[in-house]
Amino acid sequence: GAGVSQSPRYKVTKRGQDVALRCDPISGHVSLYWYRQALGQGPEFLTYFNYEAQQDKSGLPNDRFSAERPEGSISTLTIQRTEQRDSAMYRCASSVYRDSEAFFGQGTRLTVV
Amino acid sequence: EDQVTQSPEALRLQEGESSSLNCSYTVSGLRGLFWYRQDPGKGPEFLFTLYSAGEEKEKERLKATLTKKESFLHITAPKPEDSATYLCAVVNSGGYQKVTFGTGTKLQVIP
Repeated sequence: GAGVSQSPRYKVTKRGQDVALRCDPISGHVSLYWYRQALGQGPEFLTYFNYEAQQDKSGLPNDRFSAERPEGSISTLTIQRTEQRDSAMYRCASSVYRDSEAFFGQGTRLTVV
Repeated sequence: EDQVTQSPEALRLQEGESSSLNCSYTVSGLRGLFWYRQDPGKGPEFLFTLYSAGEEKEKERLKATLTKKESFLHITAPKPEDSATYLCAVVNSGGYQKVTFGTGTKLQVIP
């Protein structure tokens, strides 16, 4: 596609439910990043893939958070047993290779009620 | 741990009033420093990448410079459409290439 596509754009879920956020990167981009961004803050790194390999997951807050990119293209960020503190904007970005500039998607606004 | 500090947090300029935004960083080996622009409700949009001290990049009214400890984003004769939050990010040269963002400078240019 022309840009990084994330779905859904908005997600409201009840506390305790699992959610899956999807990222469709720009075609051919090797690197894919997941970030979380609070209002008025810069993006907070969560995890990073090169092709299908998860190279760094040090930013994932706890073991309720996981991510995968099984075929080196589309990625899914899963949050299990959601809590209210998980409410945030979740952004995905992709880049041609690991040193190049990243292109961001519009994000998924997650609200846990 | 890599750190990025941006200042000021907010900046209000009159149209045509030039100024500079600062990004100070501490990183275990700099692989690259990025500047992004973010408009409300949108994802960050890439502006520049700088790789080594002394490097400069320009785009329209924006010019980014890099030293071993900080980067500046100079805005010359800004226009209202330059109003946005400007984010700085660093990538370390470690094996995993973690990206660390600053909290941004919110720029408002008044006509």
